[in-house]
Amino acid sequence: AQSVSQHNHHVILSEAASLELGCNYSYGGTVNLFWYVQYPGQHLQLLLKYFSGDPLVKGIKGFEAEFIKSKFSFNLRKPSVQWSDTAEYFCAVTNAGNNRKLIWGLGTSLAVNP
Amino acid sequence: GAVVSQHPSRVICKSGTSVKIECRSLDFQATTMFWYRQFPKQSLMLMATSNEGSKATYEQGVEKDKFLINHASLTLSTLTVTSAHPEDSSFYICSASLSGDQPQHFGDGTRLSIL
Repeated sequence: AQSVSQHNHHVILSEAASLELGCNYSYGGTVNLFWYVQYPGQHLQLLLKYFSGDPLVKGIKGFEAEFIKSKFSFNLRKPSVQWSDTAEYFCAVTNAGNNRKLIWGLGTSLAVNP
Repeated sequence: GAVVSQHPSRVICKSGTSVKIECRSLDFQATTMFWYRQFPKQSLMLMATSNEGSKATYEQGVEKDKFLINHASLTLSTLTVTSAHPEDSSFYICSASLSGDQPQHFGDGTRLSIL
């Protein structure tokens, strides 16, 4: 069965620090990959997605993620975080043949101290 | 764009009552809507996929008669928790997608508490 693993459950950083959140999935076929963010008190929002093409994907607010097929990974990065990046981050995967059923990771809670 | 409205945001009711949650796509037509449940410190769990004009597809282990889903139009899907009990207390989230490969857009969720 498909599964998604997010390695870090809680991350605390100071402003301007670099961020990398790990995401690994288990599925042998072609996948579509997503990172969603949930700011405090708000709904889930799409941060970025990968369907095909360049494995380095750029999203909103300076985030990017790299799909490494050989490692089954889709890690999220940001060179310099801000206090406003404090949020819950979720990695999700669908198989390319069924793009509607998202399999979710447990999420990573990021707290950025000013 | 791509706003999904979910109502109510919070419900507290007595055991045995039925609760209806609405999910509306405000500025696009959603051919498919999804209903999720989230337990504390756990990932979102897909309950069912709702297609406009047809019966919902439920995930394994989700009781169809307990969680009634209706997708009457391209902008509205409802989830009714029938004869709710304390174990049904949870955070319910809906999402909607335009079609095919389009990403899902999420509502704010509904916190359901059954006393």
